[in-house]
Amino acid sequence: DAMVIQNPRYQVTQFGKPVTLSCSQTLNHNVMYWYQQKSSQAPKLLFHYYDKDFNNEADTPDNFQSRRPNTSFCFLDIRSPGLGDAAMYLCATRRLAGGNTDTQYFGPGTRLTVL
Amino acid sequence: AQSVSQHNHHVILSEAASLELGCNYSYGGTVNLFWYVQYPGQHLQLLLKYFSGDPLVKGIKGFEAEFIKSKFSFNLRKPSVQWSDTAEYFCAVNAGNDYKLSFGAGTTVTVRA
Repeated sequence: DAMVIQNPRYQVTQFGKPVTLSCSQTLNHNVMYWYQQKSSQAPKLLFHYYDKDFNNEADTPDNFQSRRPNTSFCFLDIRSPGLGDAAMYLCATRRLAGGNTDTQYFGPGTRLTVL
Repeated sequence: AQSVSQHNHHVILSEAASLELGCNYSYGGTVNLFWYVQYPGQHLQLLLKYFSGDPLVKGIKGFEAEFIKSKFSFNLRKPSVQWSDTAEYFCAVNAGNDYKLSFGAGTTVTVRA
């Protein structure tokens, strides 16, 4: 059963044309993450939500935004995609409560192509 | 902030050979340790994890890892690899109850039939 779902799996956009990637989860986890992964590199954390609290990584460009309307859904908005933003975008979720941690579960990713 | 080092960028071996991938981290406190695998064209999957207890952890598909606190290491092993183990392997570390998971650069493992 799918636990972290990402749509679409493949997204093609034009240079400068806004794009939104979607992530949903059935785990009821309170933390949701967005990572960018380029070919043969480790995933790079862009930001995360702890419940409704948004936490941006210091080196995440302003071009990247996120929304979490409810526990289950989280969106990644790229306002003006550049060629350098072509990558795999991974969503992950995690249960974090009372100082106890759990595993991060990753979705299948959305591969973004920028023309 | 913690950092994670994976010793090998690319490992090539034959089927039935033994595999060991090194992982070292820099953080002096309590850590949670993970190995993830990414098969070609697929998403990251958890191989195994260590939170506490027995430092020798067994995961899926015959993999195991040993946490050696004094060496800040969490090396991954498999006694006999198969062609289907061809994948990218990522070590990841989470310090205490920190939200952030720090990944190593990854090791590409190619198993030749």
